[in-house]
Amino acid sequence: DVKVTQSSRYLVKRTGEKVFLECVQDMDHENMFWYRQDPGLGLRLIYFSYDVKMKEKGDIPEGYSVSREKKERFSLILESASTNQTSMYLCASGQGAGGNQPQHFGDGTRLSIL
Amino acid sequence: KNEVEQSPQNLTAQEGEFITINCSYSVGISALHWLQQHPGGGIVSLFMLSSGKKKHGRLIATINIQEKHSSLHITASHPRDSAVYICAVLYNNNDMRFGAGTRLTVKP
Repeated sequence: DVKVTQSSRYLVKRTGEKVFLECVQDMDHENMFWYRQDPGLGLRLIYFSYDVKMKEKGDIPEGYSVSREKKERFSLILESASTNQTSMYLCASGQGAGGNQPQHFGDGTRLSIL
Repeated sequence: KNEVEQSPQNLTAQEGEFITINCSYSVGISALHWLQQHPGGGIVSLFMLSSGKKKHGRLIATINIQEKHSSLHITASHPRDSAVYICAVLYNNNDMRFGAGTRLTVKP
């Protein structure tokens, strides 16, 4: 079974802090994704990566950056956390260059910015 | 703007009832996914389909490309089916749009 592991289930940080969310997948997937999920809005794509050191902006990249130094690891960085970044963050991975493959999700990180 | 509409937003059913959750989208797609999110937050992929119908156990997913509509059915519902069900559509490679989800509660 595919395993996508997010480093924290719950995280509390303060405004202005630099926050790192880590995601690791064990199936050698090419594509990895970071989403945030807010009530009534559905999942929104922040960034995705289709290869090591490659990244593409999603719908809401402002205030975030990402890093993919190794194929199995995709990190989301909040450069200077703000309260409007309080949300559930979900990482996913998928196989192949195309998008017609299921994405496999981690359990999510519920991040609170105080 | 969310380009995928799900209905209903919330659904409460008695154990054993037949459940239908609907998903509509606005433009042509290459694939549609149904996902299940458990109360703890983890998301599981239930179906991926681009035409017709798929069945897995008590779950059935259908899609009508001409009408831009998909349905997820649950037969003989059970309290363990209680979860949020999410419809996601794929417009082009790696460009997925998600519905806001349908929260299903099945009471014993």
